Formats: sequence, structure tokens, C-alpha cells
Amino acid sequence: EVQLVESGGGLVQPGGSLRLSCAASGFTFSSYAMSWVRQAPGKGLEWVSAISGSGGSTYYADSVKGRFTISRDNSKNTLYLQMNSLRAEDTAVYYCAKDPYYDSSGYYWPPTYYFDYWGQGTLVTVSS
Amino acid sequence: DIQMTQSPSTLSASVGDRVTITCRASQSISSWLAWYQQKPGKAPKLLIYKASSLESGVPSRFSGSGSGTEFTLTISSLQPDDFATYYCQQYNTQGTFGQGTKVEIK
Repeated sequence: EVQLVESGGGLVQPGGSLRLSCAASGFTFSSYAMSWVRQAPGKGLEWVSAISGSGGSTYYADSVKGRFTISRDNSKNTLYLQMNSLRAEDTAVYYCAKDPYYDSSGYYWPPTYYFDYWGQGTLVTVSS
Repeated sequence: DIQMTQSPSTLSASVGDRVTITCRASQSISSWLAWYQQKPGKAPKLLIYKASSLESGVPSRFSGSGSGTEFTLTISSLQPDDFATYYCQQYNTQGTFGQGTKVEIK
């Protein structure tokens, strides 16, 4: 059974930093691109960032480019999102999400950008 | 950027009703469209991909159609478990979501 479990959310002041983690199980982690998608309170969904299975390729939404860094540790089956220079508008539930396309090499790119499995989310609140 | 517009924003319906939600793209996205269902406090769940392909395990009362810029999600006979918010998402160019359609009890 595919499981994605996010952690690391919390309250942070504007300008601060936070690192989110997503522990994956139930599938060959290194063979799938992964993404972070966020949802501001009471709002819709926004794709944030994606990374290839190997970790060698990454994409970012313009709203977070230069402030957020996506990475992965395939030996630990874990996805990360390092968030710096946080703003009030970054307040949201952050979901990690799995790409449906299997690629044994881990180099398939770009990702499909739709998601067959999602974690339960972790809340990030940016406020003074 | 490709914009996605869903209609209506809210839909009131009864169990057994046939329900249709529309999603329009600001430019052609071929058939690169997905639909998700989200319940309060839960993660989205994939229902449909490539405009009309039903995700494994999803009940057959859900169906999708369309191509280019206009798409629909249809629930043939609304069940109690279907009251939720539905999002479309284009994945022709990265991925952008519609604003959501809340299906509520009439």
C-alpha cells in the first residue's frame, strides 16, 4: 500500500525558514517523480515544486522560485522541501504527491504533473 | 500560464441526481486533464486522468469527457459519499488547478 506521510510543519515568523519531510513507502520511491502541492486555508490547490526520481531535475512555481528548494534522499525514501524567506502568503497545508509514471531509471523528465497518491498534509503558518 | 475555470462554484443536489461539473481551460490542453475529489480535512483523491480515463478503484458512476478547452465531470447517480469538493487540473504545461466545485446536499 502506497503511503506518504508529511511532517515538519508549524508556526514560523515572516522571513523564517522551515523544512518539510515526506516519508514514502509501498512503492519503489526512486522510480517516480514527486511534487509538493499546497492549499491555503479555504482556498484551492497550487502546485509548488517537482523533482525527478533521481533527484537530478527540479521545477518550481514562480511564486516560490529562489526561496524554496526541493530535494530527495532515495536511500531513506524521503522527499524534502526547504522553505526560506517565508511570507504570510505561504501559509497553507503542504501535500507531497506522487507522479503516476513509473521509470526504472529515475531520469524521466518532465513529470506528468498529475498525482495518483497524496499524503495527508502538514500545515505551515507564517505569522508574527 | 494556463488558467482553469470551473462552474458552478457550488452545486446543490440530492442523492440519485445526475451531476455535471464543467471545467474550461484558457487555451487548448488536448486531453491532459485530471479530476480530483476532496473531502474536508483530507487530501485530494484522483478520479479521472487524461480527461476520460477512470482511475483504478473509482466507482463507474464517475465519468469524464472533453478535449481542447472544455471538459466535464459527470456523476451519474449521486451517492452520500460523493458530497465533496471537486477540482480539475490541467497538466499540459506544468499543472494548474481550477478553483473547485463544492457539491452539497440539497
